[in-house]
Amino acid sequence: GDSVTQMEGPVTLSEEAFLTINCTYTATGYPSLFWYVQYPGEGLQLLLKATKADDKGSNKGFEATYRKETTSFHLEKGSVQVSDSAVYFCALSAHYAAGNKLTFGGGTRVLVKP
Amino acid sequence: DGGITQSPKYLFRKEGQNVTLSCEQNLNHDAMYWYRQDPGQGLRLIYYSQIVNDFQKGDIAEGYSVSREKKESFPLTVTSAQKNPTAFYLCASSGTVDQPQHFGDGTRLSIL
Repeated sequence: GDSVTQMEGPVTLSEEAFLTINCTYTATGYPSLFWYVQYPGEGLQLLLKATKADDKGSNKGFEATYRKETTSFHLEKGSVQVSDSAVYFCALSAHYAAGNKLTFGGGTRVLVKP
Repeated sequence: DGGITQSPKYLFRKEGQNVTLSCEQNLNHDAMYWYRQDPGQGLRLIYYSQIVNDFQKGDIAEGYSVSREKKESFPLTVTSAQKNPTAFYLCASSGTVDQPQHFGDGTRLSIL
């Protein structure tokens, strides 16, 4: 079945450091890929998405490129801020699956220190 | 503003009791979903509904029930058969298949 694997956290960084969170997936066909962010005590917010190979999703300084050859969708940000402290989830939506079902990775907690 | 409203924010259940979590959306989305999140873990799908009066089991449906009588509403009942209900419950909705899911702010359920 479909699966998403992302690096375990927590990831602790200093402000203005470079952030990378690795995400790889297994799916039949060509899924859409997403990064969601969850702040403490809240629901998930869509951060960015990519729907086909070589697409680059970007938002709020975060970027991720859909790499079909390596089945990866790594999240990057060049200079993190304290406000980026959150849990980040990689997810996929397989086009053959009914109802736009999402398969999530386990989440990566990021802590940015001033 | 359009969005998804979950209530209550915190809920406590006594042994042997059924409790119902509310989820309402005004995004005019056809599909709605319920997820369970345990501490330090990802989300697992409980139930989903693509249209009114229709719903399907997700990966962990045992001990839960849902209804979809209105497009805007998708309540989740945690029954007494669910022996480990303590978790954070998230409701989501989406439009067409290729559109991303939008999430509510969640309900935290605990056992008394």
